[in-house]
Amino acid sequence: AQKVTQAQTEISVVEKEDVTLDCVYETRDTTYYLFWYKQPPSGELVFLIRRNSFDEQNEISGRYSWNFQKSTSSFNFTITASQVVDSAVYFCALSEIYGGATNKLIFGTGTLLAVQP
Amino acid sequence: DGGITQSPKYLFRKEGQNVTLSCEQNLNHDAMYWYRQDPGQGLRLIYYSQIVNDFQKGDIAEGYSVSREKKESFPLTVTSAQKNPTAFYLCASSLTGAPNTEAFFGQGTRLTVV
Repeated sequence: AQKVTQAQTEISVVEKEDVTLDCVYETRDTTYYLFWYKQPPSGELVFLIRRNSFDEQNEISGRYSWNFQKSTSSFNFTITASQVVDSAVYFCALSEIYGGATNKLIFGTGTLLAVQP
Repeated sequence: DGGITQSPKYLFRKEGQNVTLSCEQNLNHDAMYWYRQDPGQGLRLIYYSQIVNDFQKGDIAEGYSVSREKKESFPLTVTSAQKNPTAFYLCASSLTGAPNTEAFFGQGTRLTVV
């Protein structure tokens, strides 16, 4: 069964600390896509990154970096030098083919990150 | 500005009533989705639509109905048959239904049954 596990329910850090959010997934597909979304208090989900199953290169975007390891089925997200504005719920998601064609996102339960000033 | 607009932001419903949540997008996206979010849980797919006049059930479609008469609109009706409708509802759209396309989300509607 397709599944995404975010074992960390809540994380609290002090500003400028580095923090890593864990994501472990299960899938039978050989081709799949992984996503990270941020949900600030306003409620909407904001797209952060997409990674396909054939690209295991790590990616860095400013203070954000992602570590994709197929061997451990993990797609972890690190924020360097965290800031108060990073406080949000972060969701990891797996894309599967649903109903034969359509993209369906399977979400983890989310990690609430609180960055204290 | 392009984006997805959900209305209303907060909605209160009496037991036994049907209510309709609005979702409009001006991104010219073909695919649209409705998700439900409960505290401490991830998002779960209610319905999705790949194209106008076509929609399919997701994982938790019971007690919900949708229509897709226009490309830009995908309203969700929460019927009285939905036993536990209190939740946060998110509408999303993507350019196509392909698995590598990112989804854009609205700001959500919080529905409370009183």
